[in-house]
Amino acid sequence: DSGVTQTPKHLITATGQRVTLRCSPRSGDLSVYWYQQSLDQGLQFLIQYYNGEERAKGNILERFSAQQFPDLHSELNLSSLELGDSALYFCASSVEGAGVGPAAQYFGPGTRLTVL
Amino acid sequence: QKEVEQDPGPLSVPEGAIVSLNCTYSNSAFQYFMWYRQYSRKGPELLMYTYSSGNKEDGRFTAQVDKSSKYISLFIRDSQPSDSATYLCARTDQTGANNLFFGTGTRLTVIP
Repeated sequence: DSGVTQTPKHLITATGQRVTLRCSPRSGDLSVYWYQQSLDQGLQFLIQYYNGEERAKGNILERFSAQQFPDLHSELNLSSLELGDSALYFCASSVEGAGVGPAAQYFGPGTRLTVL
Repeated sequence: QKEVEQDPGPLSVPEGAIVSLNCTYSNSAFQYFMWYRQYSRKGPELLMYTYSSGNKEDGRFTAQVDKSSKYISLFIRDSQPSDSATYLCARTDQTGANNLFFGTGTRLTVIP
């Protein structure tokens, strides 16, 4: 158990809908990262937050957004969902912020999103 | 072209064999390299990280970086059925940020 929790474990929804994925980092970790894992693209970095502020952006679509709250939990919002958004979404956390590396990233169990 | 290339396998070996997993990368500015292990339907877990060239050992696992040839390797000695998983190499962003860029992963099966 990495100490990172993600809810829900599974999510099934229809195209065009909007969903929110939730992540609670390990106690004491200030950085949260979101990754998408699909069969064709592998594990891809989406976005990083550090202590409530966006720190780095990867291949995140404009339909997707994230935020980190004062209690350090984070949410990933996916809107106007398409079939191709079906994937595993992982959250990871680490103790250091950007510019200090490599901070070990601890991954949660993931949320499996299925868009029908 | 992906920045970190990894042979997807699958790779099957008998128990007790030495396993060699490899990745290549394209940009010599990359600083840190990691190896993650991912069991089926689980999140990746960090095995090892290395910086610069050379070897790093942790139990049955050895990570090796050859910056001159842009080659990263993970060796597993005395492989066990519990090592059966997908192994992902990763590197940090070249700007010094901590976000990771992963290879596609190599699926390993260790046969008892």
